[in-house]
Amino acid sequence: AQTVTQSQPEMSVQEAETVTLSCTYDTSESDYYLFWYKQPPSRQMILVIRQEAYKQQNATENRFSVNFQKAAKSFSLKISDSQLGDAAMYFCAYRSVSNYGGSQGNLIFGKGTKLSVKP
Amino acid sequence: GAVVSQHPSWVICKSGTSVKIECRSLDFQATTMFWYRQFPKQSLMLMATSNEGSKATYEQGVEKDKFLINHASLTLSTLTVTSAHPEDSSFYICSAREGGRNYGYTFGSGTRLTVV
Repeated sequence: AQTVTQSQPEMSVQEAETVTLSCTYDTSESDYYLFWYKQPPSRQMILVIRQEAYKQQNATENRFSVNFQKAAKSFSLKISDSQLGDAAMYFCAYRSVSNYGGSQGNLIFGKGTKLSVKP
Repeated sequence: GAVVSQHPSWVICKSGTSVKIECRSLDFQATTMFWYRQFPKQSLMLMATSNEGSKATYEQGVEKDKFLINHASLTLSTLTVTSAHPEDSSFYICSAREGGRNYGYTFGSGTRLTVV
């Protein structure tokens, strides 16, 4: 079974600085998707960024980028120019490609990292 | 973009009563919906996966008779917590996925259930 590990329960960053959240995963599959979700105090899950495992190029979305190391099974999230609104819980998630239909295809979440942004 | 509406956003009920939570995809057809439970300061725990027109698949340890899931149409899935008890108090979140190989997931805004 696949697992997702986020080893940093809490992180803190100064406004306008850069912070990196770590995520590692375990899988025997070669094709899969990886995601970072943000959950602010409202508890609405918001997709931050996603990466297809077959793509070597790291995904980027404005101030958010990932460092995807497939061999090391590592998928870290870098937030540049941190803003107060970035404060939230961040969840790393994995999804298999091979079982996208039927009763599978669900996201497997890590335990999350609580990010605080200091003004 | 895709929107999933989840209602109610919060509910307080008496122990022993049942509560229904609705999850609707507003602008797309959700062939698969997922129901999660989240305890304070913890991650999302998958409870069950529902597919339109078929029985839900429950994760190990989740009581199917207590958490009734119905996915009667491509835009609506419901979770009914039957004979609720205080230990059922939690935050419940639904997530919907469009058909095909699309890996996009859209989450509802969640329902905070408090059983007194």
